Amino acid sequence: LAKTTQPISMDSYEGQEVNITCSHNNIATNDYITWYQQFPSQGPRFIIQGYKTKVTNEVASLFIPADRKSSTLSLPRVSLSDTAVYYCLVGPMDTGRRALTFGSGTRLQVQP
Amino acid sequence: GAVVSQHPSWVICKSGTSVKIECRSLDFQATTMFWYRQFPKQSLMLMATSNEGSKATYEQGVEKDKFLINHASLTLSTLTVTSAHPEDSSFYICSARDGGLAKNIQYFGAGTRLSVL
Repeated sequence: LAKTTQPISMDSYEGQEVNITCSHNNIATNDYITWYQQFPSQGPRFIIQGYKTKVTNEVASLFIPADRKSSTLSLPRVSLSDTAVYYCLVGPMDTGRRALTFGSGTRLQVQP
Repeated sequence: GAVVSQHPSWVICKSGTSVKIECRSLDFQATTMFWYRQFPKQSLMLMATSNEGSKATYEQGVEKDKFLINHASLTLSTLTVTSAHPEDSSFYICSARDGGLAKNIQYFGAGTRLSVL
């Protein structure tokens, strides 16, 4: 599975846009990029998944450049409730019985 | 998205006792479920892969006799921490992949906080 690198922590203020970039230089052709959010004492929650270009849902946008060696999770107008750890994971689709491997994640702190 | 229910959410037990944690996929069938462990301020660490109708696959360093996994049906996997000790205190999280979807999305339970006295 491709190794990912993310910033350990980020700080922001309410109402700002937050962009968290993840590097995955050895991503394979059949790998997808998935982001999860985790609040303290809760299980991770799926945010968004993409393969290339841009994906947007009601929560976030995911930008993936043509070489796919990195990806950026964009959270528009964050609020205090977005304070959490965000994990970037890379792995093949339909891996069947293979679990996702979590890196260290990015700890986002949103301040008033 | 799919829902994974985990119970209990919090348990305290005495050293030497056993604790069972249940993980259920509520609206989908999961032939494979996964059990993770998470220490404070750390990432999730995969403990084992639970396979319906067969033995679980444990990660290196995880004692299979201490962490018993049973996946008796397509919607239920259980993790039993046997003869628990204080060092087993941790946050345990299960997950399952909805095989009906095309994408490799794992859905996670809310986690179980285990405190061994």
